[in-house]
Amino acid sequence: DADVTQTPRNRITKTGKRIMLECSQTKGHDRMYWYRQDPGLGLRLIYYSFDVKDINKGEISDGYSVSRQAQAKFSLSLESAIPNQTALYFCATSGADTANYGYTFGSGTRLTVV
Amino acid sequence: QQQVKQSPQSLIVQKGGIPIINCAYENTAFDYFPWYQQFPGKGPALLIAIRPDVSEKKEGRFTISFNKSAKQFSLHIMDSQPGDSATYFCAAGGWMLTFGGGTRLMVKP
Repeated sequence: DADVTQTPRNRITKTGKRIMLECSQTKGHDRMYWYRQDPGLGLRLIYYSFDVKDINKGEISDGYSVSRQAQAKFSLSLESAIPNQTALYFCATSGADTANYGYTFGSGTRLTVV
Repeated sequence: QQQVKQSPQSLIVQKGGIPIINCAYENTAFDYFPWYQQFPGKGPALLIAIRPDVSEKKEGRFTISFNKSAKQFSLHIMDSQPGDSATYFCAAGGWMLTFGGGTRLMVKP
């Protein structure tokens, strides 16, 4: 099984619909992140969480919300999807110790809003 | 927002060539500089990383060169192979990473 699992892998939804993307991890990491990938723009941070009670906005949080249900689960919601939210979404995790800054990414969710 | 600028956006080389991807950062407090490799349909995976106390790090055919005074670092892929065709991201930071815009590399047979 993958260390970081994202569901669904692909989703097509209509403008105005609410949609949730889910992420679960078996790494035992405290820190979890949601990124959005667009061509030429790299990976942009939407939200991050350092533990279950900690939620922080990233660079592009408008139109998104998150929920950290447990150490291993971090969900991203689009309350009312719009076409410019069409993108590839990645969940990532990292450890808290200074010797382990590397991120582990999931395989991504390709979201299309029509 | 701290930026990490990556160039070029795309790169085509012949098999055996040495593609070089460059990144520049702004924040002198950054102390961790990883490179990630992403294949189609997959998430980015950590390839190699360097800390600012060294100027170069090699792992197999992949080398990071780091210039602290210029606030720049680069990835070199020696003897590139078609299997190296992927998108490469640089990143900089500490416990929080800022990513470059990505470079799509194609290695022709």
